[in-house]
Amino acid sequence: KQEVTQIPAALSVPEGENLVLNCSFTDSAIYNLQWFRQDPGKGLTSLLLIQSSQREQTSGRLNASLDKSSGRSTLYIAASQPGDSATYLCAVQGRGMKGAQKLVFGQGTRLTINP
Amino acid sequence: DTEVTQTPKHLVMGMTNKKSLKCEQHMGHRAMYWYKQKAKKPPELMFVYSYEKLSINESVPSRFSPECPNSSLLNLHLHALQPEDSALYLCASSQGLAGALRTDTQYFGPGTRLTVL
Repeated sequence: KQEVTQIPAALSVPEGENLVLNCSFTDSAIYNLQWFRQDPGKGLTSLLLIQSSQREQTSGRLNASLDKSSGRSTLYIAASQPGDSATYLCAVQGRGMKGAQKLVFGQGTRLTINP
Repeated sequence: DTEVTQTPKHLVMGMTNKKSLKCEQHMGHRAMYWYKQKAKKPPELMFVYSYEKLSINESVPSRFSPECPNSSLLNLHLHALQPEDSALYLCASSQGLAGALRTDTQYFGPGTRLTVL
């Protein structure tokens, strides 16, 4: 059974700092890994999707890496801003699932950027 | 347009009530999902519809009954719920093409906040 772990559970940094969020998963047979952002009481916003054959993806100040063999991914946020404050969720889609895509989520990292 | 809409935004119901949650997307997606999310926890998958057929039911109690009347709509019928069913219910959709799962991004709606008294 796939298990996804995110470290740290919470992180608070001053504005302008670069930071890294970590995600690990136990079964390397995945289709892709996705990073989402969730603001309190809201739905999820997809940030980046990395296919199993890729090593990294970039979008603006965000860079996500994937090391499938070791079961790890990182989300790098450059020049953090107060608007980046949210919970960041990592999710993997595994191989062998019947039907449509099934995501397994980590517990999330609650990020606070202090002005 | 990458929007998934959900109604109502908030719902308060008693344990004997019957209510329904509605989800709609117009992106031509063929896969739609219901998730349940408790406070400070990640979303947990409940149901998946693929091409309007139920493809995954994660052992959800029968008091939750999903329905996919067409490719754009997904309903979740609620009956005889318990207070522990109070949560944020999220709907999502994706292209859901069998040959393109590696790039299949899910788009989430804003959720319905359900409170069961």
